[in-house]
Amino acid sequence: DIQMTQSPSSMSVSLGDTVTITCRASQDVGIYVNWFQQKPGKSPRRMIYRATNLADGVPSRFSGSRSGSDYSLTISSLESEDVADYHCLQYDEYPRTFGGGTKLELK
Amino acid sequence: EVQLVESGGGLVQPGRSLKLSCAASGFTFSDYNMAWVRQAPKKGLEWVATISYDGSSTYYRDSVKGRFTISRDNAKSTLYLQMDSLRSEDTATYYCARSLRVSDYWGQGVMVTVSS
Repeated sequence: DIQMTQSPSSMSVSLGDTVTITCRASQDVGIYVNWFQQKPGKSPRRMIYRATNLADGVPSRFSGSRSGSDYSLTISSLESEDVADYHCLQYDEYPRTFGGGTKLELK
Repeated sequence: EVQLVESGGGLVQPGRSLKLSCAASGFTFSDYNMAWVRQAPKKGLEWVATISYDGSSTYYRDSVKGRFTISRDNAKSTLYLQMDSLRSEDTATYYCARSLRVSDYWGQGVMVTVSS
């Protein structure tokens, strides 16, 4: 199975920060990585698809990038509404696998 | 407007069965693969199963193979998850999602608690 190792698992942040979350794939998954935001008691919301594409309605301060087997989600100038959990997903192969999640908390 | 509405969750004893449904609307259901994803309390997301758009192919995570069955009724625009021989570790919120490749629409989730 492909492992998606997500880091950090939690992060203490301040409004206005630039935040980067990374998932490292244990084998090549190409561009087949999506990123999700999830707020307490809510369903996941797609933020980035195919590694680098901004989903409809997502603010431009969110971006996705890839460097080899490392996939990153970056939030520039963090706003209060961005404080949430974030998850990556690889869908290159079955079983589909998610990263362990990253919890953003305000300092 | 695309909507996915899950139902059928609840409290069930270990070893018993439960069937989840996901009613879809606002899009051509038969055009899309569909998936179930679960989330145990305070844990991360975990893919459970996927079914192809026409129901001809199904995929499962190892821990549910032989116990869970994903199916669909395209005439009713409804996705199902039959869960048999339930275990405590199956306790989670279960989400249906439109094609994890796209991942653009998710249901609100339904809670399944397996406990005696």
